[in-house]
Amino acid sequence: EPEVTQTPSHQVTQMGQEVILRCVPISNHLYFYWYRQILGQKVEFLVSFYNNEISEKSEIFDDQFSVERPDGSNFTLKIRSTKLEDSAMYFCASSEGEGKGYTFGSGTRLTVV
Amino acid sequence: QKEVEQNSGPLSVPEGAIASLNCTYSDRGSQSFFWYRQYSGKSPELIMSIYSNGDKEDGRFTAQLNKASQYVSLLIRDSQPSDSATYLCAVFLTGGGNKLTFGTGTQLKVEL
Repeated sequence: EPEVTQTPSHQVTQMGQEVILRCVPISNHLYFYWYRQILGQKVEFLVSFYNNEISEKSEIFDDQFSVERPDGSNFTLKIRSTKLEDSAMYFCASSEGEGKGYTFGSGTRLTVV
Repeated sequence: QKEVEQNSGPLSVPEGAIASLNCTYSDRGSQSFFWYRQYSGKSPELIMSIYSNGDKEDGRFTAQLNKASQYVSLLIRDSQPSDSATYLCAVFLTGGGNKLTFGTGTQLKVEL
């Protein structure tokens, strides 16, 4: 069964450092997303991406965040200057169309120290 | 106003019983509804989708939708210990763009 692949599975970084989280969505999917989940809290939307541009972003997705699809397969989330409160599980997801369910990757656990 | 609401639980049921998980949503115009299962430390896994009023069955799972009451539920028949997880309700809210909005999830514990 097709799957969304995320790397790394766990990243520890110092406060103020830049991190890049990587994702390979399912190949025939057109919509891509990043969500995050702080420990014990709900799954929160960060950003959606379609046709090589951001289609929507949440209040969480401020100027410190950016996304990129550098080639035909990868989809990345960059956090420019990490803060302690950025510590969370970050999930990439993709879907084949509007209104369709998402397939989530296994996540990257980001720990900012 | 909470957009997608679930009782956080935990909901405890004995093995073999029916587990009933409930979700309400704020937007009457919503059209697409999903249930995800999330094991501790893992990612959400899609288990059911429902778009029309009524029941939809898939194996031991039945999703029920009542748009007039803005209510969606998930029934798990013959509950097994492996069903112990957090169940997330997710909705495409009208005016919410093309993004799923998740509830906080209900923790289900199936006891031997």
